[in-house]
Amino acid sequence: GAGVSQSPRYKVAKRGQDVALRCDPISGHVSLFWYQQALGQGPEFLTYFQNEAQLDKSGLPSDRFFAERPEGSVSTLKIQRTQQEDSAVYLCASTIRGDRAEAFFGQGTRLTVV
Amino acid sequence: GESVGLHLPTLSVQEGDNSIINCAYSNSASDYFIWYKQESGKGPQFIIDIRSNMDKRQGQRVTVLLNKTVKHLSLQIAATQPGDSAVYFCAENQAGTALIFGKGTTLSVSS
Repeated sequence: GAGVSQSPRYKVAKRGQDVALRCDPISGHVSLFWYQQALGQGPEFLTYFQNEAQLDKSGLPSDRFFAERPEGSVSTLKIQRTQQEDSAVYLCASTIRGDRAEAFFGQGTRLTVV
Repeated sequence: GESVGLHLPTLSVQEGDNSIINCAYSNSASDYFIWYKQESGKGPQFIIDIRSNMDKRQGQRVTVLLNKTVKHLSLQIAATQPGDSAVYFCAENQAGTALIFGKGTTLSVSS
C-alpha cells in the first residue's frame, strides 16, 4: 500500500488476555519501529528492526511484550497477559533505512484493557 | 533521564497569524531533530527535520530553528490555517538510537 498500515485500529482486551498487533510497513522500507503512546503523551520507543533483525528492544516494558518481523516486512507486536497499564496507542513507523530517514507512521492501534 | 520537552502544552492563534512552537532538549549528544504533527486519531506526520550542523531549515510555510548553545529547537508556521490545528512533537536522537519524543504542544487555530 501507499502508507504504513496497522490492524486492528481498535482492540479491547480483557485483563490477562493475549493480543497481537500487526504492522504492514511501506513496501521496500528496511527499518521498522514500534512506539507506545499513552494518552496526552509523546510516543515512546519500544523496539526497532532492520529487515528481520531486531536491533534494539530496549524499550519493551516487560517480558510480556514480544515483537517479530520474520520475513523483513510485516511485523507483529504481541502482548501477553495484558494489564490495564498496557492501554495505549501502539504506533508503527517505517523508514527506507535506518534511524535518520524520514519515518512514516501508521494510524496506530488503540488498545484498551478492561 | 534526558528527554526532549516542549515549553507550552497549548498554543492558541488566529488564522493568518504566525505560530512559534518551542522545544528544549537536554541531550547535548543529539544531532538530529524532527518535528511531527499529529492530528486526532492519526499517527505522527513528518513536517521537517534538521541536523546539528545547521541552525535553520525552511520548508513550505514552516521553518525550524536550532540553537545548540541553549539546546533549543523551534518550529515556525507562517500564515497559520485551521488545518494546522494538531499536536506538535519535537523529537531527537543520536545515530543508532531511537527517536525520543517530547510531550507535545496542542496548536489551536481559530478563524
